[in-house]
Amino acid sequence: GQQLNQSPQSMFIQEGEDVSMNCTSSSIFNTWLWYKQDPGEGPVLLIALYKAGELTSNGRLTAQFGITRKDSFLNISASIPSDVGIYFCAGHSNYQLIWGAGTKLIIKP
Amino acid sequence: GAGVSQSPSNKVTEKGKDVELRCDPISGHTALYWYRQSLGQGLEFLIYFQGNSAPDKSGLPSDRFSAERTGGSVSTLTIQRTQQEDSAVYLCASSPESAYTYEQYFGPGTRLTVT
Repeated sequence: GQQLNQSPQSMFIQEGEDVSMNCTSSSIFNTWLWYKQDPGEGPVLLIALYKAGELTSNGRLTAQFGITRKDSFLNISASIPSDVGIYFCAGHSNYQLIWGAGTKLIIKP
Repeated sequence: GAGVSQSPSNKVTEKGKDVELRCDPISGHTALYWYRQSLGQGLEFLIYFQGNSAPDKSGLPSDRFSAERTGGSVSTLTIQRTQQEDSAVYLCASSPESAYTYEQYFGPGTRLTVT
């Protein structure tokens, strides 16, 4: 079946640093979505990408839909403490979202 | 407007008991999904409802798991004869599933603990 490889699995960064994470797949997706999950909460949609090559920003977050439609990345600039959490990518195929395993972001004090 | 709501927020049950978890999707959303998330893990797809179509049950881990969606709105996930490995957070999501968006909106989840 379709799978997404999300990396890195976890990141330890200093406040103020930029963050980059990505997802790759052997399959083509028509939509890429990026979510963030805080402890004890459901995932919250951050950015949705619908066109190959699309680059979309949401505040300090920037995400791109790879031109091959098999990958996507999410960048966070100038990280702040509230950025901690687990970030998930998801690719849409048919009627399902295929989910990455998540990237856990930890900000060192 | 109101988001996806789930109840209960926490459920502790004894092994072998049946449990029912409820999801109220966003009004007007035609698609509803159930996921399971074990501690520190990603999302495991369980079941998908779209309008009046037959649900996709391909993710249900065993026949102890079932789900219904009444009137195209509220959904109930039932786990019969619960086992300790069923302990997890059960997340519900809804989506407008139009031709333009497949964005899913999640509820806060129900944390199930089987003792």
